[in-house]
Amino acid sequence: QAVVAQEPSLTVSPGGTVTLTCGSSTGAVTSGHYPYWFQLKPGQAPRTLIYDTSKKHSWTPARFSGSLLGGKAALTLSGARPEDEADYYCLLSYSGARSWVFGGGTKLTVL
Amino acid sequence: EVQLVESGGGLIQPGGSLRLSCAASGFTVISNYMSWVRQAPGKGLEWVSLIYSDSSTYYADSVKGRFTISRDNSKNTLYLQMNSLRAEDTAVYYCASGAAFDIWGQGTVVTVSS
Repeated sequence: QAVVAQEPSLTVSPGGTVTLTCGSSTGAVTSGHYPYWFQLKPGQAPRTLIYDTSKKHSWTPARFSGSLLGGKAALTLSGARPEDEADYYCLLSYSGARSWVFGGGTKLTVL
Repeated sequence: EVQLVESGGGLIQPGGSLRLSCAASGFTVISNYMSWVRQAPGKGLEWVSLIYSDSSTYYADSVKGRFTISRDNSKNTLYLQMNSLRAEDTAVYYCASGAAFDIWGQGTVVTVSS
């Protein structure tokens, strides 16, 4: 089974910009992995921010964007707010969408 | 209102079985991808299983052969039958719907312990 790697922790200043990445042990992440990004806060269910690399839900704040960057999936937060402090997880699809693997998560601190 | 409500969690001894339910309202489970995802205490999210609209099913290696995903279209409910439970299956179990994981339930807690 593939291993999906994320930065364990990142810190961003309020109003700042930060990019979280998501890499695959099998090689470059492509649109064929249908990258997802989820936000998870303590005591709450996960909330999907980005799907299929860069698509947003109606509830996804405009300051979040998804992309492919240097062989990885990326989530960029521009104009960080205190309420963005959370754990962020990426999810990749493998084997023709028959297997899915989450990354280990990134703990984002807004400070 | 569109929502998912999980139930069926609880305390179970190692080697035991449990069936989780995920009742959908506001949409039909048959027309959506439906997934189970779990989070063990202090750990990250783990994909567990998925059932597609064509009824094909897939599992994480960690649960293959022990867990079975299914749905009852008449009850508009998704299930996860969990057998041969182990301590490492202890987690909050979430169901989610849609290829875009649009909708998530609030989770049900499974504790495997003697």
